[in-house]
Amino acid sequence: DAKTTQPTSMDCAEGRAANLPCNHSTISGNEYVYWYRQIHSQGPQYIIHGLKNNETNEMASLIITEDRKSSTLILPHATLRDTAVYYCIVSPSPGYSTLTFGKGTMLLVSP
Amino acid sequence: EAQVTQNPRYLITVTGKKLTVTCSQNMNHEYMSWYRQDPGLGLRQIYYSMNVEVTDKGDVPEGYKVSRKEKRNFPLILESPSPNQTSLYFCASSLFSGTSGRYEQYFGPGTRLTVT
Repeated sequence: DAKTTQPTSMDCAEGRAANLPCNHSTISGNEYVYWYRQIHSQGPQYIIHGLKNNETNEMASLIITEDRKSSTLILPHATLRDTAVYYCIVSPSPGYSTLTFGKGTMLLVSP
Repeated sequence: EAQVTQNPRYLITVTGKKLTVTCSQNMNHEYMSWYRQDPGLGLRQIYYSMNVEVTDKGDVPEGYKVSRKEKRNFPLILESPSPNQTSLYFCASSLFSGTSGRYEQYFGPGTRLTVT
């Protein structure tokens, strides 16, 4: 069973906000939501993670619903370099480091 | 600069010829891992290591060996490569933190292996 569900692909215009959704309805209390991205065959890159509260860093914001069954990754001003596959991953609390990657969302940012 | 390095980046070899892909990290991370990525199958974990001399199987360990004799190095060994091991391989490392809430895995640039 997939632990997360993401759209296969999304488009975004350069300069606009990209909002990438993820459903994780079976998430358990000790599981974090992580987001990674992979730019064309490069190594995956960590973006952000959260448990319950919304989080923001220099790359993105993560909005987690109150029931924790879904989340949204927001890239506030998408650029062409943000074109990548974005992976939403749920994983137990820090200390257990295995990540299970699904198929992710292919985000295409266009001029 | 904090990084994970892999060598070689590209390798074409023949069936049965033993090979080693090296992985090294300069961040003093306890945890290291190997993944393979295949079209339509995504990233799958091969082996991981929680610390020196501690290794364990991931989801697809068959046909691979690893060792962790030093904290910074985690080589992937294919004793007798076969064509179905043609893939893109990634090494990763992360800090084994139980309480900080700050956790991320750093991935290497990848090794594209072709076995003919």
